Amino acid sequence: GAVVSQHPSRVICKSGTSVKIECRSLDFQATTMFWYRQFPKQSLMLMATSNEGSKATYEQGVEKDKFLINHASLTLSTLTVTSAHPEDSSFYICSVRTGTNTGELFFGEGSRLTVL
Amino acid sequence: AQTVTQSQPEMSVQEAETVTLSCTYDTSENNYYLFWYKQPPSRQMILVIRQEAYKQQNATENRFSVNFQKAAKSFSLKISDSQLGDTAMYFCAFMFSYGGSQGNLIFGKGTKLSVKP
Repeated sequence: GAVVSQHPSRVICKSGTSVKIECRSLDFQATTMFWYRQFPKQSLMLMATSNEGSKATYEQGVEKDKFLINHASLTLSTLTVTSAHPEDSSFYICSVRTGTNTGELFFGEGSRLTVL
Repeated sequence: AQTVTQSQPEMSVQEAETVTLSCTYDTSENNYYLFWYKQPPSRQMILVIRQEAYKQQNATENRFSVNFQKAAKSFSLKISDSQLGDTAMYFCAFMFSYGGSQGNLIFGKGTKLSVKP
């Protein structure tokens, strides 16, 4: 498997500020990471696929200028919520695919963003 | 497009009893994976069990087993001898597989399971 860690686990920010969330693959070099968003009592919605050394692939309806993704190394992907607004408050979860033929994804602990 | 449907938003079961969570999916693909993920109150998603579509035998992991009905596109999860630690949100998920590459993971809306002492 893979151990995935996110930081911070909780963050509160003022409206209009930017927030960066880190996703680290601690024991696996991940060429691909995924970012999900989860609203309360809702399912996980894929936001984007983060590719090491290249641009992220965003899902339809996700604003790439608002949700900046950087995957500069094989163990770190970051999601920056720019000019955050209260409607961006959510639970953000990253995951890693290890490349084996199991199809399994390994998830981080998630980051709870609250925008005041 | 693939869809995953979990028709039971909430369920409860007494400790030590057996419970079955339902999941149906829709796809035109022939090669795919199905998963059940668990999200406890601590929030980190963990894999419970997985099934490859080409395998007829139902997957089993200790107290967890599935009933995979490919023709009916049904993938239910049975939890035997329920324990308090099984209390969590359970998500059914689908991922297609083609030529060595894999698609994105598509989740159902989840079933909140409460195990009562």
